[in-house]
Amino acid sequence: GNSVTQMEGPVTLSEEAFLTINCTYTATGYPSLFWYVQYPGEGLQLLLKATKADDKGSNKGFEATYRKETTSFHLEKGSVQVSDSAVYFCALSEGAGGTSYGKLTFGQGTILTVHP
Amino acid sequence: GAVVSQHPSWVICKSGTSVKIECRSLDFQATTMFWYRQFPKQSLMLMATSNEGSKATYEQGVEKDKFLINHASLTLSTLTVTSAHPEDSSFYICSGWDRYSGANVLTFGAGSRLTVL
Repeated sequence: GNSVTQMEGPVTLSEEAFLTINCTYTATGYPSLFWYVQYPGEGLQLLLKATKADDKGSNKGFEATYRKETTSFHLEKGSVQVSDSAVYFCALSEGAGGTSYGKLTFGQGTILTVHP
Repeated sequence: GAVVSQHPSWVICKSGTSVKIECRSLDFQATTMFWYRQFPKQSLMLMATSNEGSKATYEQGVEKDKFLINHASLTLSTLTVTSAHPEDSSFYICSGWDRYSGANVLTFGAGSRLTVL
């Protein structure tokens, strides 16, 4: 079956530091890959996505590249801010559309704390 | 933007009682609702998929008689944990999707933490 393995946290950084959160996956077929973020007291929000190999998803300074050869989708940001403190989830779905879009397999989540 | 309001955000109940969790889609029609649960320090696991007006489809290993899902309208889906036991204590999250919007965007609720004593 499908699985997603995320870098264990928590991760604590100083403001303006470089961030990497590793994510690798196991899947049959050609999954779509996602990063979701959850701020305290809020629901998960889609941060970025990539639907095919070598695609790069980007949003709010965050980036992740779909690497089929290494089955990875690592999240990076060049300079984090205090407001980036949240829980980050890597996820995959088996399809890019239809109901399969919502059938997500999640990683366990990584807590990021950024200090001023 | 689209919002899913999930209620209650936390609930404590006695073993043997039933608990209902509601998810309401605001500003959009959730033709499909996905229900997840998360154990401490573990991933979110998909429990079931429900389409408005239809019976829910449960993932393997999820007891449909234990976790009753109702999706009677385009803006409301409910999960009822029946005869709850301590092992049902978990974080339950719903997400709504409008299959006709073409946006392919899931909107998640903030989650409900259930503690069964």
